[in-house]
Amino acid sequence: QKEVEQDPGPLSVPEGAIVSLNCTYSNSAFQYFMWYRQYSRKGPELLMYTYSSGNKEDGRFTAQVDKSSKYISLFIRDSQPSDSATYLCAMSVGMYSGGGADGLTFGKGTHLIIQP
Amino acid sequence: DVKVTQSSRYLVKRTGEKVFLECVQDMDHENMFWYRQDPGLGLRLIYFSYDVKMKEKGDIPEGYSVSREKKERFSLILESASTNQTSMYLCASSLNRGQGSYGYTFGSGTRLTVV
Repeated sequence: QKEVEQDPGPLSVPEGAIVSLNCTYSNSAFQYFMWYRQYSRKGPELLMYTYSSGNKEDGRFTAQVDKSSKYISLFIRDSQPSDSATYLCAMSVGMYSGGGADGLTFGKGTHLIIQP
Repeated sequence: DVKVTQSSRYLVKRTGEKVFLECVQDMDHENMFWYRQDPGLGLRLIYFSYDVKMKEKGDIPEGYSVSREKKERFSLILESASTNQTSMYLCASSLNRGQGSYGYTFGSGTRLTVV
C-alpha cells in the first residue's frame, strides 16, 4: 500500500464551482500537512499548511485534516480558470522538513481544469 | 523574489554526455533536494543534502551524483546521460529549524531531453 494516495484526475469543473481535492494516507505518524500548487512547466509552490486535525482557511482556499480517517482535503470556492493546475498534497512527521525520515511524502498530484 | 534558481529551464543533451544541473538558493537553507518528476510517477527523490559536502541517496540515485561545495549551491550530475533520464528535474530547499520553515521551496524546474 502506497503511503499517500491521490486521484490523478483530470478533474474538470465549470468556473465558479466549489472544488474538492483529496488525499488519503497510511502513516498515522504524519502530523504536518501541506498542499502545493504546480502550474504547467513550473515548480510546485506551497499553498496551504496545517498541523494535526482541523480546518484552516485562506481566502478562497480551505484545508481540512481528519487524522482519525487519515484523510485530507483542499476546498476551492468560487473557482477561477487561473486555479487550473496540478495540486499535490504532502505530509511529514516533524515540523522541520529535512531529508530521509524527516522528509516530505508527496502524493502524485491531481490535475484540475476550471472551464471558463 | 526568486529564492531557488535552477540554471536552465530547458536542456537538450546527447546520449553519453555528462550533464550538470545547477541549483542555487538564497534563503540560507540547510537542506537541499533533487527530484525528478514524470507523468504518472509523481515526484521521486534522487539525492538530498543536509549540510555542505554531505549527501544522502534518495529513492532513485542510480545514474546520478551530486555535489554541494557551498551551502547555497547543489549540483546534480548525470554521469552518462541516457534517454530514460529525459524528465523534469526539480531542486528544492528547506530549513532545519526556525520560524516559517514550512515544507520545501522549489525551483522552476529544468526540462531535460536526452536524444
